[in-house]
Amino acid sequence: AQSVTQLDSQVPVFEEAPVELRCNYSSSVSVYLFWYVQYPNQGLQLLLKYLSGSTLVESINGFEAEFNKSQTSFHLRKPSVHISDTAEYFCAVSPTSGTYKYIFGTGTRLKVLA
Amino acid sequence: EPEVTQTPSHQVTQMGQEVILRCVPISNHLYFYWYRQILGQKVEFLVSFYNNEISEKSEIFDDRFSVERPDGSNFTLKIRSTKLEDSAMYFCASREGSGGQPQHFGDGTRLSIL
Repeated sequence: AQSVTQLDSQVPVFEEAPVELRCNYSSSVSVYLFWYVQYPNQGLQLLLKYLSGSTLVESINGFEAEFNKSQTSFHLRKPSVHISDTAEYFCAVSPTSGTYKYIFGTGTRLKVLA
Repeated sequence: EPEVTQTPSHQVTQMGQEVILRCVPISNHLYFYWYRQILGQKVEFLVSFYNNEISEKSEIFDDRFSVERPDGSNFTLKIRSTKLEDSAMYFCASREGSGGQPQHFGDGTRLSIL
């Protein structure tokens, strides 16, 4: 079985400041890792994914996440946030075989302040 | 960019009634999923569907729940004898193929049971 922990339910941060959203997971099998973003009244949009290879993955809008196998973590970072980054962020894992269903964390609400 | 569409956006139903939530996955996708999110809680897996049959279901997906892909385009979730605790946001997702390909989510249907 798998589980995902997002310790921070809410993260307020000032515009142009850096931010880190934490994600830890537990799994007895190999997993793929994902970050999704949800803007108000919208669905979940893929932000980035880790499948294999380089442990640092980047998105087109400046976010990055680093897979750390020893710490079973996949923290999301951005060096300088914008007001438009205000949203809820979900970390998810998926087994690398079977139905590839997602197991989600509880989400972190990022609020960027002017 | 192709997207997953869900209708209706909001469904209000009396307890005990049947409800059908509809989804149109991305056309060349082969794997289909339903998730739900009770207000304030994490997104939970309900069921996965591949090759015209359920490939995995969670404990939430009891005998009152069923899924169907009747015409090769729509993917429906039916809930019979609805209960108050079925009130949640229901997300449909689809995925093109196997492996680490990410799931694409619809905007969700908010189901309110009165």
